[in-house]
Amino acid sequence: GEEVAQTPKHLVRGEGQKAKLYCAPIKGHSYVFWYQQVLKNEFKFLISFQNENVFDETGMPKERFSAKCLPNSPCSLEIQATKLEDSAVYFCASSQILPEAFFGQGTRLTVV
Amino acid sequence: TQLLEQSPQFLSIQEGENLTVYCNSSSVFSSLQWYRQEPGEGPVLLVTVVTGGEVKKLKRLTFQFGDARKDSSLHITAAQTGDTGLYLCRADKLIFGTGTRLQVFP
Repeated sequence: GEEVAQTPKHLVRGEGQKAKLYCAPIKGHSYVFWYQQVLKNEFKFLISFQNENVFDETGMPKERFSAKCLPNSPCSLEIQATKLEDSAVYFCASSQILPEAFFGQGTRLTVV
Repeated sequence: TQLLEQSPQFLSIQEGENLTVYCNSSSVFSSLQWYRQEPGEGPVLLVTVVTGGEVKKLKRLTFQFGDARKDSSLHITAAQTGDTGLYLCRADKLIFGTGTRLQVFP
């Protein structure tokens, strides 16, 4: 597609439940990034992929968070056993040429 | 550790005023981008600067990359209400700045 598509737009999970977010990058873009935005300002880099390979995962929490980008499937970000502090807007972006990136509209995760 | 500090954090001005937002770091970057984010949306790329001392203009917005490629500024001339939003710098290590929230009043 011509834009980064993130689903769902909103997600509510009880503490301890699993959350799975999806991202379809722009067609032809080989890089995908995930960011977490908390408090409406701060963006935290989580992980990036080049095609299906992890490119940079320095921001990814070691526990509970995992991500994949498999061929012919949307990329996904999964949070096991969600905690209250995981509540945030999660943005996906894709890129054809680094470092520029085109962002989706985000998935708002609320953990209650 | 936050590598990119933006100032000011918040800015509230009236239409027609000029303003400058700064993005500073102790690290050297090969390139830097500026984005604007509006409520409920993802950040939208405004510009990429790659050469030390480079100046780029986008209508009323002027972007400058510092000579040492450690800092950048965004200047808006005669701000309009449509400029309201969160302005973010982002460096080639994929890190975002702390953000500047701009509110322009009519």
